[in-house]
Amino acid sequence: ETGVTQTPRHLVMGMTNKKSLKCEQHLGHNAMYWYKQSAKKPLELMFVYNFKEQTENNSVPSRFSPECPNSSHLFLHLHTLQPEDSALYLCASSQGTGVYEQYFGPGTRLTVT
Amino acid sequence: AQKITQTQPGMFVQEKEAVTLDCTYDTSDQSYGLFWYKQPSSGEMIFLIYQGSYDEQNATEGRYSLNFQKARKSANLVISASQLGDSAMYFCAMRPDDMRFGAGTRLTVKP
Repeated sequence: ETGVTQTPRHLVMGMTNKKSLKCEQHLGHNAMYWYKQSAKKPLELMFVYNFKEQTENNSVPSRFSPECPNSSHLFLHLHTLQPEDSALYLCASSQGTGVYEQYFGPGTRLTVT
Repeated sequence: AQKITQTQPGMFVQEKEAVTLDCTYDTSDQSYGLFWYKQPSSGEMIFLIYQGSYDEQNATEGRYSLNFQKARKSANLVISASQLGDSAMYFCAMRPDDMRFGAGTRLTVKP
């Protein structure tokens, strides 16, 4: 595997379900990110991890819970979501949190019913 | 606060012609980076090109070049010799802090 991978690619869940999104980077980067991309809205940064430590939480509702066990893996745990949470969730990584380009995974398209 | 503006919601270009996608930004930082990403319909964001605020020369990467005008705070992407596979959404972004993205421009290449 190369680059940034995300699983699953598609997910449909009910509002009472609990699911997790997984991201893995094979680039030796130290920073990882979760973004939300809704239709007709700019990308929204959700969480930032640098060297496994969370450095940013952009007022994300508690029904989204991130986990970063090491610099290569990032999870987004989902529970009691709302239909408006339906979106493309993108994971990215970069060498650091300075002026570095980010490399993105293919995304998980989430539909909440 | 940083702000990125892409004023072209959609653009059309004929295959093999060049096209310029506009991007303006606003920041009080002296050191920053400007980035362009391509997002095909599959959803993945693909990094295209980077320009540092202190770089004196415009960045180039294959058919992509960045027309950087610091005084005007613009960082336009030029795609030369457009190909059908260039049809996608294109996003301008900047950091040093959080990577801020513009609203995007949808480019359609006509055969």
